[in-house]
Amino acid sequence: AQTVTQSQPEMSVQEAETVTLSCTYDTSESDYYLFWYKQPPSRQMILVIRQEAYKQQNATENRFSVNFQKAAKSFSLKISDSQLGDAAMYFCAYRSARGGADGLTFGKGTHLIIQP
Amino acid sequence: AAGVIQSPRHLIKEKRETATLKCYPIPRHDTVYWYQQGPGQDPQFLISFYEKMQSDKGSIPDRFSAQQFSDYHSELNMSSLELGDSALYFCASSPTVGTTEKLFFGSGTQLSVL
Repeated sequence: AQTVTQSQPEMSVQEAETVTLSCTYDTSESDYYLFWYKQPPSRQMILVIRQEAYKQQNATENRFSVNFQKAAKSFSLKISDSQLGDAAMYFCAYRSARGGADGLTFGKGTHLIIQP
Repeated sequence: AAGVIQSPRHLIKEKRETATLKCYPIPRHDTVYWYQQGPGQDPQFLISFYEKMQSDKGSIPDRFSAQQFSDYHSELNMSSLELGDSALYFCASSPTVGTTEKLFFGSGTQLSVL
């Protein structure tokens, strides 16, 4: 079974600064997807960014980018120019690419605080 | 753009009662997933359906059952409710073609068992 570990229960960053959230995972599969989801106080789950394991290039979405290290099974999220609206719980998630309707496996989450 | 619709948004039940949660996936999404998120917890996968058939099963209690109907909407039925069932229940859907690995989440149903 796959596991996802987020070792930082809480992170704090000054507005406009850069912050990196850590995520490691364990799997025996070679093909899979990794995601970062954001859950603001409204509790809506919002997809931030996704990475295909077969792609070496790191995914980027505006101020959000990842550092995907497949051999190390590491998938960190970097948020540049942090904004107050970035304050939320961030969940790292894994999904197998083997087909079927496997669900996502989530980490425990990191609570991101943005200080004005 | 249409999103995943869940109803009701909030539900209050007494212990030992039953509850039914509904989920309407995005049009042309044939796969539906149910997740349970307890207070301060990460979402836990319960069950999924593909083309109206149960596809995968996670940590779903025997007191819970679910199904997907011909119009692809899904219902999660919960019986003999316990205090520990109080949680946010998410439904998500994913498309048949294209980015099939992406799950789109609804806003959730907050269930409170008193």
